[in-house]
Amino acid sequence: AQSVTQPDIHITVSEGASLELRCNYSYGATPYLFWYVQSPGQGLQLLLKYFSGDTLVQGIKGFEAEFKRSQSSFNLRKPSVHWSDAAEYFCAVGYNNAGNMLTFGGGTRLMVKP
Amino acid sequence: NAGVTQTPKFQVLKTGQSMTLQCAQDMNHEYMSWYRQDPGMGLRLIHYSVGAGITDQGEVPNGYNVSRSTTEDFPLRLLSAAPSQTSVYFCASSTGTSGSDTQYFGPGTRLTVL
Repeated sequence: AQSVTQPDIHITVSEGASLELRCNYSYGATPYLFWYVQSPGQGLQLLLKYFSGDTLVQGIKGFEAEFKRSQSSFNLRKPSVHWSDAAEYFCAVGYNNAGNMLTFGGGTRLMVKP
Repeated sequence: NAGVTQTPKFQVLKTGQSMTLQCAQDMNHEYMSWYRQDPGMGLRLIHYSVGAGITDQGEVPNGYNVSRSTTEDFPLRLLSAAPSQTSVYFCASSTGTSGSDTQYFGPGTRLTVL
């Protein structure tokens, strides 16, 4: 069965520092890959997605992610973190043969130090 | 557009009580789904629907019922609430059933079962 792993439950970075959130998936073919962000008390907002083409994907709020097939990874990056980026981040994969169901990772909670 | 709306935002139930979580979308999306979010486990799919009159089970369907009489509405029913159903519930919708289609999430319902 497909699975998604986010190895880091919590990450703390200083404002202005760079950020990388890790995501690894398990699936036999190329999946569709998503990153969502959840601010406290809010629903999930899509940051970016990948399903074909250029393996470096640009998203909203200055985020980007790179799909690496050889490593089964889709890590999220941002060159300079802002205090407003503090939130929980979820990686998810979608599959055509699953009726558009998404499989989510456990999430990474990002805290930003001033 | 209001997007995906959910009511109520918060609910406390006693064990054995029943209730319905409401979900509506005004984007004319065919696909709708319900997820539950538990700490460290990300979001898990409960039930989904690919159109009015069609529903199917997701990863964790036990204890929940759904129906889809209109394109806009997709209520989730708890028949006899149990403490294990304490969770945050998210409704989502998307334009299609392809794994690459973006899902849009509602703000969530926080349910506590005593």
